[in-house]
Amino acid sequence: KAGVTQTPRYLIKTRGQQVTLSCSPISGHRSVSWYQQTPGQGLQFLFEYFSETQRNKGNFPGRFSGRQFSNSRSEMNVSTLELGDSALYLCASSLGGLAGQETQYFGPGTRLLVL
Amino acid sequence: AQKVTQAQTEISVVEKEDVTLDCVYETRDTTYYLFWYKQPPSGELVFLIRRNSFDEQNEISGRYSWNFQKSTSSFNFTITASQVVDSAVYFCALSEVSGYSTLTFGKGTMLLVSP
Repeated sequence: KAGVTQTPRYLIKTRGQQVTLSCSPISGHRSVSWYQQTPGQGLQFLFEYFSETQRNKGNFPGRFSGRQFSNSRSEMNVSTLELGDSALYLCASSLGGLAGQETQYFGPGTRLLVL
Repeated sequence: AQKVTQAQTEISVVEKEDVTLDCVYETRDTTYYLFWYKQPPSGELVFLIRRNSFDEQNEISGRYSWNFQKSTSSFNFTITASQVVDSAVYFCALSEVSGYSTLTFGKGTMLLVSP
């Protein structure tokens, strides 16, 4: 079974631009979560989607948004990029059934560098 | 609010030494799940183990073992006879039933195993 895939793997943008990252979950998984990892803040939860609906959201500004498609693939978008948005963005998928107990499987991440 | 603390920022050992990674958590929920993930230099988070709050049995998987103690809110991870390939950052994480698929991560412990 193929794992979680994320594209692109690396991205360089300049301040003020916007970016879209993509995540394809493990086949059969309906929940997709996004996390931001930085050296200073560590791993922080961005949001979670289940059946095309945002089910939970972390404490990030509105510049960070996402969506999920009917095939469970998900995209996240960051508008008006700031230097502090430079990070590794990790996507994770799970079956999404019972709350809290399911194991999340992570993709390789997208490394975003904002200049 | 939930919190995970990994007090050890970095640990260096020589191959074949045993090493224990500490994890202390805080939660108000009575039902919760604890996880350990490994992050090699490639960046992908690799799932190692999941434990629910009602199961305090220790678990052993090969050279890996986990000690869950609810009384001290700890979920420690021991690697026996460490190998160079164990070098990575290890994260402890908490998931609450009330938080759907949200994982709260500790800051991670970097383990360096030298030959």
